[in-house]
Order: sequence, then structure tokens, then C-alpha cells
Amino acid sequence: GAGVSQSPRYKVAKRGQDVALRCDPISGHVSLFWYQQALGQGPEFLTYFQNEAQLDKSGLPSDRFFAERPEGSVSTLKIQRTQQEDSAVYLCASSLGSGVGELFFGEGSRLTVL
Amino acid sequence: GQQVMQIPQYQHVQEGEDFTTYCNSSTTLSNIQWYKQRPGGHPVFLIQLVKSGEVKKQKRLTFQFGEAKKNSSLHITATQTTDVGTYFCAATTSGTYKYIFGTGTRLKVLA
Repeated sequence: GAGVSQSPRYKVAKRGQDVALRCDPISGHVSLFWYQQALGQGPEFLTYFQNEAQLDKSGLPSDRFFAERPEGSVSTLKIQRTQQEDSAVYLCASSLGSGVGELFFGEGSRLTVL
Repeated sequence: GQQVMQIPQYQHVQEGEDFTTYCNSSTTLSNIQWYKQRPGGHPVFLIQLVKSGEVKKQKRLTFQFGEAKKNSSLHITATQTTDVGTYFCAATTSGTYKYIFGTGTRLKVLA
């Protein structure tokens, strides 16, 4: 497809379960970002990749959160032992270059932890 | 950490009225972007400002970057119902690619 694709669109997990969220960026885009957006709030930065290198993971809220982009394309955000406070929409965005530029967002993955 | 504040949090206007949202930072910004998010949707890029004092226009939308590069504004002239949504600014500081999003301004336009 032409845009950023995220899956699953919706995920319901029981507290304590592990989840994996996938992001397929626009082909050729160097930069990839993960954001967490709680209801009624702005997107909160989680982590940034430049190709396969994770250059900034300062926004990951705990060591339960882990992200990877092993081949510099598809990325996975993994949350271990989910907690209720992890409930949010997880947005993936990609941009063409390694510097500043337009972020193209996916539709997001809405995670609900019961 | 770095914070980007936006005001107002909410704005209700009658169709045809003007609307302005402001974005403020305590630190000097490298660049600022503006995004629009429709209810249930994802953020969509509107514009990027890089230079001190820069002003850009897109039809009824006017974007401004402050002289000190610590604030920005988005002004919509003669709002339409299609302008409904939440407007976010997103900024970076020198030496980082991390875009910090503002708190957002939710706009409702009454027909």
C-alpha cells in the first residue's frame, strides 16, 4: 500500500499478557517513530529508528516496552506483562529522510488491557 | 523534560468565525510542525516551519513561527465545518529527531 500500515487495529489483552504491535512504514522511509496516545491527549514519543538503528528510546515508559526494526523496514513494538495503564492508541509514523520532515502516521493500534 | 503547551484546550466557534491556536515552549525550537487529527483518525501533516519569524499560508490557514523560535500559531480564517478536529503542534530541539507534540486544541465548528 501507499501509506503506513499498522496491525492489529484493535487488541484486547488481559492484564499480564504480552502483546506485539506491527508497523509497516512507507517503502524507502528511513525514519520510524512510535508514539502512544491516550484518550484526549497528544501523542507521546516512545522511540525512534533510523533504518535499523534505534537512536532514541527515551520515551519507553518501562522495561516492559521493547521495539525493534531488524531490517530497517517493518517494526514491532512489544509490551510484556501488560498493565491497565498501557491502554492507549499506539501510533507508528515514518518519514523519508533521517532529518526533520513530514511524519506519515498509520491508523494506529488501539490496545485495551482488561 | 521538554514540554510544548498549547492554548486553548478547546474552542467552539460559529461557522465563519476565525480561530487561532497557540503553541509555546520554554526552550528554543529547531523546527515546528502542525498536524490535524479528525475524531477517530490519525494525525495528518499540515506544515513545517523552520526559520525565525517565518509565516506560511495555505488557503484559509496561516502559520507563524515566533522570532525567538519558542512559539508558533495557527490561524484559520472563516472556519468551515470541515475544519473540525484537534490541531497539534510538534517540535524538535537542536540535536534531536524527537518530535514533541503539544497538548492539542480541539476545534468544534457550529453550523
